[in-house]
Amino acid sequence: DAGVIQSPRHEVTEMGQEVTLRCKPISGHNSLFWYRQTMMRGLELLIYFNNNVPIDDSGMPEDRFSAKMPNASFSTLKIQPSEPRDSAVYFCASSPKTGRDTIYFGEGSWLTVV
Amino acid sequence: KNEVEQSPQNLTAQEGEFITINCSYSVGISALHWLQQHPGGGIVSLFMLSSGKKKHGRLIATINIQEKHSSLHITASHPRDSAVYICAAYLFGNEKLTFGTGTRLTIIP
Repeated sequence: DAGVIQSPRHEVTEMGQEVTLRCKPISGHNSLFWYRQTMMRGLELLIYFNNNVPIDDSGMPEDRFSAKMPNASFSTLKIQPSEPRDSAVYFCASSPKTGRDTIYFGEGSWLTVV
Repeated sequence: KNEVEQSPQNLTAQEGEFITINCSYSVGISALHWLQQHPGGGIVSLFMLSSGKKKHGRLIATINIQEKHSSLHITASHPRDSAVYICAAYLFGNEKLTFGTGTRLTIIP
């Protein structure tokens, strides 16, 4: 299996623009997670899905952030409008099931908002 | 106060040294991951454990649930072990991982 695939790997955008990050989880995994990593706050969970259903989005910073999982093989994280403080590395991860199970991370999407 | 604490924050050692990174948590957990992140790279789960000890190559992870403590050991350290090591725990009643702040390890040749 190719692992968790994220795109784009790097994105530089201007403040106010819409940003869409994409993720393809490992086939057969039921849980998908979106994390954000910054120097100041480390790794933070933004939202996770179980069987394509959002279970907990309490980590989503504000209404500018939204995430969808239209099917078991694809998820998006959208920021609209983007702000410089959104600059971070966004990781997608998947797991066979939620809870005590091995978790596999993608390579991350490095976002810079100028 | 973070529920998952790591120490040290930074560690520099000579190649060949035995390395220990510690993780302690203040609440009950069901399992814990040790993650490795290389500079500019992705994150890899090295171990997931809920009791006892696991070993993979030169890496050993131990956990003592009662003492709320886990350690990651690296034997015969090598410059390629230089990375950030993060412990992350599943807190009881919570399906989400809670992350430590990470330990930046540098192994000097």
